Amino acid sequence: GAVVSQHPSRVICKSGTSVKIECRSLDFQATTMFWYRQFPKQSLMLMATSNEGSKATYEQGVEKDKFLINHASLTLSTLTVTSAHPEDSSFYICSAYRENTGELFFGEGSRLTVL
Amino acid sequence: KQEVTQIPAALSVPEGENLVLNCSFTDSAIYNLQWFRQDPGKGLTSLLLIQSSQREQTSGRLNASLDKSSGRSTLYIAASQPGDSATYLCAAFGADRGSTLGRLYFGRGTQLTVWP
Repeated sequence: GAVVSQHPSRVICKSGTSVKIECRSLDFQATTMFWYRQFPKQSLMLMATSNEGSKATYEQGVEKDKFLINHASLTLSTLTVTSAHPEDSSFYICSAYRENTGELFFGEGSRLTVL
Repeated sequence: KQEVTQIPAALSVPEGENLVLNCSFTDSAIYNLQWFRQDPGKGLTSLLLIQSSQREQTSGRLNASLDKSSGRSTLYIAASQPGDSATYLCAAFGADRGSTLGRLYFGRGTQLTVWP
């Protein structure tokens, strides 16, 4: 079964609204989670590294005020797309890092469509 | 900066063939290398993880090798089946220079189609 749960899997919203995506590690504690964005037929682009109890580390070119990341517990990280615009429409995927094995487990992804 | 390249970008084969997917990376200072499968519109499923100290890993019909010194990894799929059709991504996990944070560097993937 899935070890990382991502919700919602699909969301459609109006331009200017905010959308929150949740990423949960189900059977292990993850001090580090990652958020990726994937455009059609492209590979995954790392947006930010989410660390439990501290501020996220954003990749160059990713607006931290636009993409708010909160990692308030060892099993939950959230990505909030604020004031969404059509160009934010994309597939967002999270992953959780299991330290004892060095594995990364991925969520099923969230398809965001901004009208 | 780590760069990961996958060849070929797409592959279409009849059922039953043995396949080789190639992955190369520019920085050999990696913690591990992972192969993932992605079905259309879905997230990633981890197939095999090879630690930097290992040479290969096997799971069922899948075998992945790692040659850190040459910056290469190969995913071998034996007796391919239509259900193997998906995009296969390799990713090198390592730290950026000057940083202790680990991150995955992904290739663009190989889109595999296995037809009956």
